[in-house]
Amino acid sequence: QSALTQPASVSGSPGQSITISCIGTSSDVGSYNLVAWYQQHPGKAPKMMIYEVTKRPSGVSNRFSGSKSGNTASLTISGLQAEDEADYYCASYAGSIIYVFGTGTKVTVL
Amino acid sequence: QVQLQESGPGLVKPSGTLSLTCGVSGGPINGYYWSWIRQFPGKGLEWIGYIYSSGTAHYTPSLKSRVTMSVDTSKNEVSLILTSVSAADTAIYYCARDVTGPFDNWGQGTLVTVSS
Repeated sequence: QSALTQPASVSGSPGQSITISCIGTSSDVGSYNLVAWYQQHPGKAPKMMIYEVTKRPSGVSNRFSGSKSGNTASLTISGLQAEDEADYYCASYAGSIIYVFGTGTKVTVL
Repeated sequence: QVQLQESGPGLVKPSGTLSLTCGVSGGPINGYYWSWIRQFPGKGLEWIGYIYSSGTAHYTPSLKSRVTMSVDTSKNEVSLILTSVSAADTAIYYCARDVTGPFDNWGQGTLVTVSS
């Protein structure tokens, strides 16, 4: 199972919106609404920001939203803030009780 | 709020066995799936597998021949064993709990280096 493809880096100015893509295949992202997104600050463990494509765990800002079209999932961060600067990873169920992660995206707040 | 804490040797010799434990506090082990995930030095993440509190486990195909997970409900611990390790197994190893999931709650991770 290959890793999902994410852009290496995305940047934006404070207050702007940015979108991170997560490209999979018809065997993973395209087949299941089981895509999650994780935020990871340096030296810290990943933190779930989105699950089941669009749902936010309790306590996660509504500036974070998820969507999916075909084999591509997306994470949008609205009203970008300095604290959003981190690495972001997607993950998807890939069938046969297998999960696959994305390659990761570094978000820089200019 | 559940807390997960990984522990184990930070250095393992090539061809040796990696053995880690995930201690769970602030919540029960029963009724949940528990995953192990590793993060390589280049920062890529890999799902190793998961185990249900009943003891049923599933592993990623590429590691299946070398991985064993177990659960001890009396100690509130989940364990990972990885055999025949090489430098390619050097990574930060995380345990995570699946609720709405996957991987809702993560431990802080433990770095394991494979080197002689």
